[in-house]
Amino acid sequence: EIEMTQFPATLSVSPGEWATLSCRASQSIGRNLAWYQQTPGQAPRLLIFDASRRATGIPARFSGSGSGTEFTLTISSLQSDDLATYYCQQYNDWPRTFGQGTKVELK
Amino acid sequence: QVQLQQWGTGLLKPSETLSLVCAASGGSFSDHHWNWIRQTPGKGLEWIGEIDRAGDIKYNSYLASRVIISPDTSKNQFSLRVSSVTAADTGVYFCARGKAIESPIPGTLSWGPKRYYKYYIDVWGQGTTVTVSS
Repeated sequence: EIEMTQFPATLSVSPGEWATLSCRASQSIGRNLAWYQQTPGQAPRLLIFDASRRATGIPARFSGSGSGTEFTLTISSLQSDDLATYYCQQYNDWPRTFGQGTKVELK
Repeated sequence: QVQLQQWGTGLLKPSETLSLVCAASGGSFSDHHWNWIRQTPGKGLEWIGEIDRAGDIKYNSYLASRVIISPDTSKNQFSLRVSSVTAADTGVYFCARGKAIESPIPGTLSWGPKRYYKYYIDVWGQGTTVTVSS
């Protein structure tokens, strides 16, 4: 099973600042990584797939990068709507696995 | 615009069977994979299993002995049954669609004449809260 590790667990950011979230896979997954945003009581929402491709309707301030085992989600100019928990997930192999999440909160 | 609507039993006693159904609308059922995922306080987001385009089913091995995922292609639906539930099965259960993306030759960054596909989860159901309590 591929283990996904996210860090930090919590990220405190001021409005308008950049937020950088990291995700590491325990073995190479190519670019087969997705990022999701989840707010309380809601289902996760797809932000990024193929490590760096934005899903339909996702603002350009969200960007993804990386390949192999190291990945990053960057939120430029953080807005209040972006306060949420973010998860990475690999779809390179079975079982599909998720990271434990990074909670983005206001500083 | 594809939508997933799910429903099922929300309150169970230990040893009972959890049963959920997910209906897909607004898209082609046969072109995608169909997943069940749960979110529990103890383990976070966990993939339970999926049905692929050929109707083959994969399960997470740690749940496989208690889980059955079944398609009903005539209704664009698929279902989840988890038997012998315990308090550890308490959480929110989601159905989700897997969408195809063309992929390099497995294990490489190269592209060849044969096409390979990976399936990423792009649409989620609204979630069903399941509580197991005596």
